[in-house]
Amino acid sequence: SQTIHQWPATLVQPVGSPLSLECTVEGTSNPNLYWYRQAAGRGLQLLFYSVGIGQISSEVPQNLSASRPQDRQFILSSKKLLLSDSGFYLCAWSVRLVLGSGEGYTFGSGTRLTVV
Amino acid sequence: SQQGEEDPQALSIQEGENATMNCSYKTSINNLQWYRQNSGRGLVHLILIRSNEREKHSGRLRVTLDTSKKSSSLLITASRAADTASYFCAGGTSYGKLTFGQGTILTVHP
Repeated sequence: SQTIHQWPATLVQPVGSPLSLECTVEGTSNPNLYWYRQAAGRGLQLLFYSVGIGQISSEVPQNLSASRPQDRQFILSSKKLLLSDSGFYLCAWSVRLVLGSGEGYTFGSGTRLTVV
Repeated sequence: SQQGEEDPQALSIQEGENATMNCSYKTSINNLQWYRQNSGRGLVHLILIRSNEREKHSGRLRVTLDTSKKSSSLLITASRAADTASYFCAGGTSYGKLTFGQGTILTVHP
């Protein structure tokens, strides 16, 4: 069965420090991968998505970057964190889609990042 | 940008009652999905309805889609205390991207 792992669960980092959040998927190949951020338990904002190794699309200009070094690994990074980077970060995967079709996402358990 | 707007923002009902949540979206979609989130956890996919479908059922869930009005509704019948959670609609577009609404916080009192 497919599973998704995301860590760490919580993280407290000082302003200006670097960030690396990792997400891995098991039990599937060629997934679409996504990073979302959720503020204050409300709606999710799409940050990055990837349809293949090394292919990253950014949805929102910001202080963050993403990389996909392996098929089932997705990394969210920052060189210098800002206070505004605090939030709940969620990784998700979906099956590789045929245009016009759709499948539900499977989400990781999330990382709560607090920048102090 | 947020695709969907859920209504109401919060809903409080008694166990056994039905809960109805509405969602409106702005742009064209391939499908409309509903997710559930328990406090501080990841989201769980509940149901997906494609743009050429009007109604879909899954257990106690019933979802409708009106593409002419760009709206959807989620009905949970015979609610239980365990249904207490936040519910989000999300519009599916190209490359499987989902754009989420702000969510409805549902509280079911035992």
